Amino acid sequence: QVQLQESGPGLVKPSETLSLTCTVSRGSISNGDYYWNWIRQPAGKRLEWIGRIHASGRIDYNPSLKSRVTVSADTSTNQFSVTLTSVTAADTAMYYCAREPGDWPFDQWGPGTLVTVSS
Amino acid sequence: ETVLTQSPDFLSVSPKEKVTITCRASQNIGSSLHWYQQKPDQSPKLLIKYASQSVSGVPSRFSGSGSGTDFTLTINSLEAEDAATYYCHQSRGTFTFGPGTKVEIK
Repeated sequence: QVQLQESGPGLVKPSETLSLTCTVSRGSISNGDYYWNWIRQPAGKRLEWIGRIHASGRIDYNPSLKSRVTVSADTSTNQFSVTLTSVTAADTAMYYCAREPGDWPFDQWGPGTLVTVSS
Repeated sequence: ETVLTQSPDFLSVSPKEKVTITCRASQNIGSSLHWYQQKPDQSPKLLIKYASQSVSGVPSRFSGSGSGTDFTLTINSLEAEDAATYYCHQSRGTFTFGPGTKVEIK
């Protein structure tokens, strides 16, 4: 069964850039059957979809974050990443990576990584 | 963007009772509505896809119904392990999630 694991700094200063990586094991991000997604959840709040990438090169973003977000992938390391620029306290959240089969909703998730934006 | 609302926000239910959670979409999303269970300090787990389709490995006491703008998740004969927050999620257009319904076991 595929496994996903988020990694990256747990603390980011306001106005700086947040960068996270998701390492995929027991599966390939080059597999065209799946999209690879980033989703976040502020404490006590609803989940928010950030964006996704497909092996074809297609990338989709949440319009509410599009001006600040970049999702990318590195097939040589089987990882995909998210960067979020000009962060504020409102970007403090648990960040998840998740797999999305082409005709299914998110079926496999990483355990999540907590990112706090604070000086 | 489709906004999802859920009711109720919170439920306290005794074991073996039936639980019904509703999710309403701000516009017609057909059957593109899915349900997740999230336990404390865990990532969400897919329970039901496309409003009523079962997911392999999920107990049969979980079922879903609805289409268009109104959807329901039903848990028949609640078990202690079902204590969690339940979220609806729509996949038509920009993906969005509901605010969640927390289910507590009495």
